[in-house]
Amino acid sequence: GAVVSQHPSWVICKSGTSVKIECRSLDFQATTMFWYRQFPKQSLMLMATSNEGSKATYEQGVEKDKFLINHASLTLSTLTVTSAHPEDSSFYICSARIAGDSYEQYFGPGTRLTVT
Amino acid sequence: LAKTTQPISMDSYEGQEVNITCSHNNIATNDYITWYQQFPSQGPRFIIQGYKTKVTNEVASLFIPADRKSSTLSLPRVSLSDTAVYYCLVEDSGAGSYQLTFGKGTKLSVIP
Repeated sequence: GAVVSQHPSWVICKSGTSVKIECRSLDFQATTMFWYRQFPKQSLMLMATSNEGSKATYEQGVEKDKFLINHASLTLSTLTVTSAHPEDSSFYICSARIAGDSYEQYFGPGTRLTVT
Repeated sequence: LAKTTQPISMDSYEGQEVNITCSHNNIATNDYITWYQQFPSQGPRFIIQGYKTKVTNEVASLFIPADRKSSTLSLPRVSLSDTAVYYCLVEDSGAGSYQLTFGKGTKLSVIP
């Protein structure tokens, strides 16, 4: 089956530093990847859509200069949280769609970010 | 942008059939309906997807009436391991853009 991995699975960083999260499709090519954020006991909130070889599309209210997304290949997208603050602490989840496939999203296991 | 409404929580005994309904009154022609399951601190897992009428796979059935303003996920004979949050998602991928709206989710608790 289609597998998506994320690295790291959890990270703790100090306020003001930057953190990079990787999302990889392991056994398929993904022209589109999505980045979500999920706070405790809340639903997933779409942050941005990442298209291979082009700029990401950010949802309203998401700061593109703070959450840098790079989709450099058909199997890798990265999310960098710049100048992290405690309020950025959350569960970050990526998903990917198989190129030319249906609307099914394959989700990664998520990355728990804690900013101290 | 289609908004979805689901019950916040449901309880069920093991072995029973569970039906979770999602309302999506503003669903558009291009929209598909997808249900996901999420366990704590994990990414969601695809359960089933449909456009209209009935869809069935090895784990669930999805019923969508003709007006498509709602959908019902049916889980046959639930077990304790089905305790999770279930999300209804309406997806619009028309014209190359993506409108992804997750509902608040339904927390299903299966009781032994």
